[in-house]
Amino acid sequence: GNSVTQMEGPVTLSEEAFLTINCTYTATGYPSLFWYVQYPGEGLQLLLKATKADDKGSNKGFEATYRKETTSFHLEKGSVQVSDSAVYFCAPENSSASKIIFGSGTRLSIRP
Amino acid sequence: DTGVSQNPRHKITKRGQNVTFRCDPISEHNRLYWYRQTLGQGPEFLTYFQNEAQLEKSRLLSDRFSAERPKGSFSTLEIQRTEQGDSAMYLCASSLEDQPQHFGDGTRLSIL
Repeated sequence: GNSVTQMEGPVTLSEEAFLTINCTYTATGYPSLFWYVQYPGEGLQLLLKATKADDKGSNKGFEATYRKETTSFHLEKGSVQVSDSAVYFCAPENSSASKIIFGSGTRLSIRP
Repeated sequence: DTGVSQNPRHKITKRGQNVTFRCDPISEHNRLYWYRQTLGQGPEFLTYFQNEAQLEKSRLLSDRFSAERPKGSFSTLEIQRTEQGDSAMYLCASSLEDQPQHFGDGTRLSIL
């Protein structure tokens, strides 16, 4: 089945720093890839997605590119804010049931 | 779009008691998912409905767990004879066909 390996956290950065959270996946076929974000005390929100190779997903200043050759979907943001502090999950979709296979997530803390 | 609604937000119960959670999906969404999330981990898939039909159940879903979606709208997840290990956040998500899943804020279950 599909799986994901994600950068271990916690990741602590200063405000306005550049962010990269690495994610590599193993999958049968070419599933859609997602980044979800979970703010404290809340459920998960879809941050961005890519449905095929070389697609770039973007939202709220975050970007990730679907790289088939390296099976990666790294999350980047040029200048992080304190409000970006959350747990980030990289996830491939399992096409047989559309269920999402989550890793353990990366906790991001941004210092003012 | 009022979002996915889950009730209650928190449930505290004694070991051995039965508990039931409710999920109201986004109204036009035909797919509904249940996930379980323990502290510091990503959500784990439990089960999935397409309309009223339960199409897949994870091996995590022991015979003490039962989920229903009787009219293809709201869903309930019941846990019988709760155990300490059932303490977790139970997340519900819904989607329209293969579109991205929208998550509720979850029900946090604490077993005393």
